[in-house]
Formats: sequence, C-alpha cells, structure tokens
Amino acid sequence: QSVLTQPPSASGTPGQRVTISCSGSNSNIGSNYVYWYQQLPGTAPKLLIYRNNQRPSGVPDRFSGSKSGTSASLAISGLRSEDEADYYCEAWDDTLSGRVFGGGTKLTVL
Amino acid sequence: EVQLVQSGAEVKKPGESLKISCKASGYSFTSYWIAWVRQMPGKGLEWMGMIYPGGSGARYSPSFQGQVTISADKSISTAYLQWSSLKASDTAMYYCVLDDYGGSLPPNMIDFWGQGSLVTVSS
Repeated sequence: QSVLTQPPSASGTPGQRVTISCSGSNSNIGSNYVYWYQQLPGTAPKLLIYRNNQRPSGVPDRFSGSKSGTSASLAISGLRSEDEADYYCEAWDDTLSGRVFGGGTKLTVL
Repeated sequence: EVQLVQSGAEVKKPGESLKISCKASGYSFTSYWIAWVRQMPGKGLEWMGMIYPGGSGARYSPSFQGQVTISADKSISTAYLQWSSLKASDTAMYYCVLDDYGGSLPPNMIDFWGQGSLVTVSS
C-alpha cells in the first residue's frame, strides 16, 4: 500500500465543496512540502497545489491546499463536471530519501 | 518555453534491454532535478528516482533501486531511464518531470511533465 493514505473515492454535486484528505507521518508530510495533482484519463498529471498551499499560474482559486501536522487536504469549491478526475497527493519522505505518492482519489461529480 | 519531450512507445520482450529518453529545452538543463514517475495500467503514480544533470548522481526510490538506471547527457540536455532486463511487470507509462527538490524550482517552472512513454513488455 501507499505511504500516503487517501480515500479511494469521493463525490459531490455541481457547486458543492469537497475535500480530499492525505494522511502521512513525521518523515513525509510532517516535515516536507505537500503537492497535489489532478489526472484526467489518458493524460499526464497536472499540478494543482505545490508547497502545501501554492497554486501554479492558471489553476483556478476554486482549488486550495492546507496542511496540519502529518495530514494535508485538498479542497475544491464550486464543483464542476470537469473536475471529475483522479487526485494524488505527494511529499518527500526523509526516511526513504525519495518522494511518495498517495494511492489516489477518484472524484465523481454526480 | 520549458518543454520535456519523451521518446515514443516501445514494445519489448522479457529479458530485453531498453533506454527511454526525455529531452529538455527552454531552461538551464544542469540547474534542476529531473525525476521519473511510473504509472502501471489502471494504477496510481510511483516516484522512481531523479537526477541532477549539473553534477550529483541519481537518487532512487528503494522500490526501484537496482531495477533501473537513471542518467543524463548534458551535451544534449537529455535524461534517460534504462532497464538491462525487462519484465512483464515493467509494462507501464513512464513520465519525466521537473522535480521541486528542496523547493528549488521557480514558480514559472513548477509544473512541467513529459508527455509519457508507454512501455509494453510481452512475449
């Protein structure tokens, strides 16, 4: 299983706010930056959040990231049908001396 | 403009060797880490390792140490991922990506991925 733990699925209706959690440990989330990616079918991952809560240029402010202790969250407000995708969290792990990903969360827009 | 362009799809037999490439342009190739990420069919993302073309050796995830080799050629701004003996379980999409190790990437370089190289290993 993955070093970072995400729920396998999440859902919401258009306009709603949904959050996706990512749980880790002191060696990863607890002491390093967290990143969030969105992956649409058949495409490369797209970075949504970097360094815990920063948005790359072009990413809507509907997407936000937060971190507390050894957990992090991605929030999506004003949910839209095009947000239906897989979402992954990622962080550096000091014990493994490498990056680790969460197992991914499939978001369904009902 | 920053670009990472990967080599094309490959179909190989078990036991064969393979080297796939990631050609970088639009920035100083020797200044930033490049990582490789695996995605097996229908599965999640796995970080394999990374290299600093400016001089440090490659660093590997424990899961991939000894299984692959990451290298770079500064003269042609290209990073590589290679296998000496492929297995069917190496069938996957492989992505190269600029790595924000230590928060080193400037904001305008924070999200650049190659288009992916599909490797299929089948007898």
